[in-house]
Amino acid sequence: DGGITQSPKYLFRKEGQNVTLSCEQNLNHDAMYWYRQDPGQGLRLIYYSQIVNDFQKGDIAEGYSVSREKKESFPLTVTSAQKNPTAFYLCASSQIGGTRSTEAFFGQGTRLTVV
Amino acid sequence: LAKTTQPISMDSYEGQEVNITCSHNNIATNDYITWYQQFPSQGPRFIIQGYKTKVTNEVASLFIPADRKSSTLSLPRVSLSDTAVYYCLVGRPGDMRFGAGTRLTVKP
Repeated sequence: DGGITQSPKYLFRKEGQNVTLSCEQNLNHDAMYWYRQDPGQGLRLIYYSQIVNDFQKGDIAEGYSVSREKKESFPLTVTSAQKNPTAFYLCASSQIGGTRSTEAFFGQGTRLTVV
Repeated sequence: LAKTTQPISMDSYEGQEVNITCSHNNIATNDYITWYQQFPSQGPRFIIQGYKTKVTNEVASLFIPADRKSSTLSLPRVSLSDTAVYYCLVGRPGDMRFGAGTRLTVKP
């Protein structure tokens, strides 16, 4: 099936650890995105990438890093510099161009908790 | 990117038509207007996209006036399952930023 897959679904991090969230898509989409969502809040853009080997900071990039070495993959690393990482993380992808060019498809999310 | 303003919450009853308006005074020429729906603990789902005038699909209509500084999402005959958060986005493909959204509650 075509879609976007995030793993793991739940992740626990100790203070001071780096953790990496996986995001894979087989939709052949050009663009990929990472969002953070806190309880009762909207989605905030962390990073986005419109093409392989290139990515841009979103509104809350501090404490996070990404890579885009393959079109299908856009992993997010939550570093120890992110002081309040407990949140719901959503990855998305979209095709740039076409009749529904702002239609993004989302993964099921990763719920990260600092313990 | 254009900032959007939506009502924080709205209530409706089953079978009614619901209209949610979004203001985007600083919309740029190349920006599209897109609406998403989100249920708890799920990723948002695309509803509709428009650039100007009116767009209609199987689930909603999108009305955009000539100046494009606002837009209205219209949901016909809502049901309990339409209770969700609705987001208005304004921007270019490949760079999409969500606002706070409108929490719609449909009552029996």
